[in-house]
Amino acid sequence: DGGITQSPKYLFRKEGQNVTLSCEQNLNHDAMYWYRQDPGQGLRLIYYSQIVNDFQKGDIAEGYSVSREKKESFPLTVTSAQKNPTAFYLCASSIIGHPSEAFFGQGTRLTVV
Amino acid sequence: AQTVTQSQPEMSVQEAETVTLSCTYDTSENNYYLFWYKQPPSRQMILVIRQEAYKQQNATENRFSVNFQKAAKSFSLKISDSQLGDTAMYFCALGEKSSGDKLTFGTGTRLAVRP
Repeated sequence: DGGITQSPKYLFRKEGQNVTLSCEQNLNHDAMYWYRQDPGQGLRLIYYSQIVNDFQKGDIAEGYSVSREKKESFPLTVTSAQKNPTAFYLCASSIIGHPSEAFFGQGTRLTVV
Repeated sequence: AQTVTQSQPEMSVQEAETVTLSCTYDTSENNYYLFWYKQPPSRQMILVIRQEAYKQQNATENRFSVNFQKAAKSFSLKISDSQLGDTAMYFCALGEKSSGDKLTFGTGTRLAVRP
């Protein structure tokens, strides 16, 4: 079945540690996105990529990094520089063009302990 | 910059009745599209309905329909014959061609359907 897979579902991180969230899609979509969801704030864009080996910062990129070495994969690293990393993270992908819609993974809940 | 505003943090509706969720947006583009996404307790984001800005006809998907008022920049979602499974967070989203297809989301409306 085609879709987007995020792993792990739950992740715990100690303060000062980097952690990487996985996102894989088999939809043959060119564009991939990372969003952060906090209560009362909706979804905010962290990074996005429209082509392999290229990506752009979103609205809240500080403290995060990404890579796009393969079309299917767009991992997100939450670095120790991210001051408040506890949140729900959603990965999405879409076809570039008009009209387009985003398909989402099931999310990763990151908790700093 | 584009913005999306959902002014109703929470709403409640009796099963089988109709409810309307509000959304306003701001954009300087002519080529854009609007979406309503549903996020049930499982937290999986599900596309409910989509509207292209160039289309004057309001989109419908079974029990879900929109009232798209382009001049007023308003995009409300009407859910008819509400069902218990409609209980979820609902997010309005705006996508602009000039922004590389990324979406801007509102803060969401939590809808509870009462039995």
